[in-house]
Amino acid sequence: GESVGLHLPTLSVQEGDNSIINCAYSNSASDYFIWYKQESGKGPQFIIDIRSNMDKRQGQRVTVLLNKTVKHLSLQIAATQPGDSAVYFCAENFVQFYFGTGTSLTVIP
Amino acid sequence: DVKVTQSSRYLVKRTGEKVFLECVQDMDHENMFWYRQDPGLGLRLIYFSYDVKMKEKGDIPEGYSVSREKKERFSLILESASTNQTSMYLCASSALTGAGEKLFFGSGTQLSVL
Repeated sequence: GESVGLHLPTLSVQEGDNSIINCAYSNSASDYFIWYKQESGKGPQFIIDIRSNMDKRQGQRVTVLLNKTVKHLSLQIAATQPGDSAVYFCAENFVQFYFGTGTSLTVIP
Repeated sequence: DVKVTQSSRYLVKRTGEKVFLECVQDMDHENMFWYRQDPGLGLRLIYFSYDVKMKEKGDIPEGYSVSREKKERFSLILESASTNQTSMYLCASSALTGAGEKLFFGSGTQLSVL
């Protein structure tokens, strides 16, 4: 089956610093990727997406980078805030979605 | 905003009980999904539906069934609940965007089977 993995299960950053969360995906045919944020007690919330014909996409304070050569996806959060504390996971789409296990981000005030 | 509503936030059931998890979406999406989420395993697809009265098995359908009688409602049924079905259950609906198929999730139902 598909395997989507995140490199680190936990990440702690100081408020105001930039955060980088990484994800490795397994299927080189995947053509669409999404990052989700899941706060405690809530369902996953869409953050940003990217198609495989792009290598970078920017949103508000977030940037997703896609490296198809090594099948790697990253989420960069600029000026991390306490409200960014959550579990972040990536998803790749090929026929269906396959999800990573998540990185728990803790922002230290 | 897209709203996917799951009827229960927490459920506690006994082994052998029949359990119904309900999900309603308000955006007229054709595609709906049921996932379970377990620590260290990520989200795994149980069943999905592309239209009313249509259903397709996902990766882990054993012990589950689904019902989609109306477009906005997708129900997950545990015919005879077992302790290994204790999990967080997430319903989702999807919409095609210019980039791809975007999933919208409900808040989840934490099911405990005793």
